This record gives sequence, structure tokens and C-alpha cells, in this order.
Amino acid sequence: TQLLEQSPQFLSIQEGENLTVYCNSSSVFSSLQWYRQEPGEGPVLLVTVVTGGEVKKLKRLTFQFGDARKDSSLHITAAQPGDTGLYLCAGAGNQFYFGTGTSLTVIP
Amino acid sequence: ETGVTQTPRHLVMGMTNKKSLKCEQHLGHNAMYWYKQSAKKPLELMFVYNFKEQTENNSVPSRFSPECPNSSHLFLHLHTLQPEDSALYLCASSQSGETLETQYFGPGTRLLVL
Repeated sequence: TQLLEQSPQFLSIQEGENLTVYCNSSSVFSSLQWYRQEPGEGPVLLVTVVTGGEVKKLKRLTFQFGDARKDSSLHITAAQPGDTGLYLCAGAGNQFYFGTGTSLTVIP
Repeated sequence: ETGVTQTPRHLVMGMTNKKSLKCEQHLGHNAMYWYKQSAKKPLELMFVYNFKEQTENNSVPSRFSPECPNSSHLFLHLHTLQPEDSALYLCASSQSGETLETQYFGPGTRLLVL
């Protein structure tokens, strides 16, 4: 099993603040995906990163894949209440291995 | 709406009951998946079907029995479950089962075993 650890586990911030969540592993992955899961729904794919050092931006969200392809970060600028949800990372080995998730609450 | 539907959305069952979860995808995909999501644990892949053939079984107990009659439908038959099986069961589909593909998840069935 290839373990992916996400931190922090819980995060509660005010609207307008910036935040970063992390996804770390001792294993190398061929690609890494980030999902957001809202209460009562399944995870929805946000981005896939493939190349070590790759940075992708999705509006206020910036995703980075570590140079060694073992870790990734998600940075949100000026968080909004609509960003509230569970953020999951998933690394591709012979299957997808999901992290434990970061539960984000953005307070209006 | 992701194109993947699951029924029922909520299920309460006793340990001696038999029930089935249903998943249907309207995306024309050929691969379907069952995942288990428990509190404080990573999403766990249970089964993978590709073109109706089971290609992955992640050491799941035999009290969980999957069935894939065609590429659009996936079932998870449950019998003699344990309280620790209480969790959110998520179905997903993708085009052909490759790991770089996007998986589209259903909303899940919240299962409580008493």
C-alpha cells in the first residue's frame, strides 16, 4: 500500500484568507490528482499533475507536484465559502491511492 | 450531476439482512469501481470492472459480492455485514480503466449496519 498523508486534517478559516494543504508520501507516483468532495456528494476531480515540478492553476487554486513526484500542494487564494469541502489527493501507482483528506471550512 | 447515480442514498440494515447497492452510469464508460469511504481513513478501492470483467479485488471480504451485468450497471450485494462495514460506498466510472483517466463518482450510499 502506498500511503498518502494529508495535512492539516482540519482547517477552518475566514473568507478572504489564503491557505495551503499538503499531500506527502514516501512513494513516487506517475501522476497525482486532487479532488473536492462536498457533503452528500462524491469526489469531483479538480486537476491532474503528471510532471515533477509541474504547477497548474485553476482560478484561485494553484496545484504543485513535487520535483521528486512524491508530494503535492494545493494553495487557495482569497478563500470563499464555496471552497468548503473535503480535499483529497490521489496518487497513481498500479491503482489510485487516496489520501486521508483535508476538511476545509471557510467562514463567511 | 456527474452522470453516475447510486441508489439507495441511505441504507440501514441488520447484520442478518441481505441488501444490494446499485450504480448506473450514463457516460458511455467501460470501467466501473466500488470504493469504501470510512471516517478518518483513506478512500479504499474495493472492486474494478473493465468491460464487464472484474480486474481488481482488493482483498474484500466475501460478504461483499459485486455484479456487473453490463458496462452501465454495477451492483454490490451485501449479506451478513458487520457494524464496522458502516461507511459511505462510492461508485465511480471511467472511460477504459487507465490510471490517468478521470474517474466520475456517484453521490454514494451511506450504509449503517446495526
